Amino acid sequence: GAVVSQHPSWVICKSGTSVKIECRSLDFQATTMFWYRQFPKQSLMLMATSNEGSKATYEQGVEKDKFLINHASLTLSTLTVTSAHPEDSSFYICSAYVRDRGENYGYTFGSGTRLTVV
Amino acid sequence: GQNIDQPTEMTATEGAIVQINCTYQTSGFNGLFWYQQHAGEAPTFLSYNVLDGLEEKGRFSSFLSRSKGYSYLLLKELQMKDSASYLCALFRGYALNFGKGTSLLVTP
Repeated sequence: GAVVSQHPSWVICKSGTSVKIECRSLDFQATTMFWYRQFPKQSLMLMATSNEGSKATYEQGVEKDKFLINHASLTLSTLTVTSAHPEDSSFYICSAYVRDRGENYGYTFGSGTRLTVV
Repeated sequence: GQNIDQPTEMTATEGAIVQINCTYQTSGFNGLFWYQQHAGEAPTFLSYNVLDGLEEKGRFSSFLSRSKGYSYLLLKELQMKDSASYLCALFRGYALNFGKGTSLLVTP
């Protein structure tokens, strides 16, 4: 149980276009979803926190107009990279906190999205 | 800030024991996680420490000392499949804040 399905797994887009990444909680309700970005050989950096039905909270240095987050339902959170540039190429991963999740002790991760902007 | 530090890379031999350290500077946190991550994949949970001391789970153990501001992950009987990145992360009742990760290479 407590699975987060993330799509797409990888995407290549042209510079200047927008890309949407979806994370769905399959068997639980995710009131909060965390979005991370990971550059090669670096750790996961928290970008923003999305809360169902309210505005996302962005970490310092993350452009909210560039990385649009929508959490319109308890099972779906989306991250849209607008006007993508090559420097946005990265591994994006979502995570949800799940109570009483014995094996994962509270957090479950999506499988990640490899974005390449050409 | 939380300044979570880990060694960047480590190499160890199959069958050996390796200890991966994690030091941090923070005023308070609920607990400390250790995750394993293979390239291009999601992190997988290894352990979670709330109290000081050692938590053992099979070949993996994790230790936390709040007073000294450090934790370590101990991997025993190393296997080739243990080659991966190992991330420590602080939990403050909200999102996880990850260290930079340690890339472990297990050699024959």
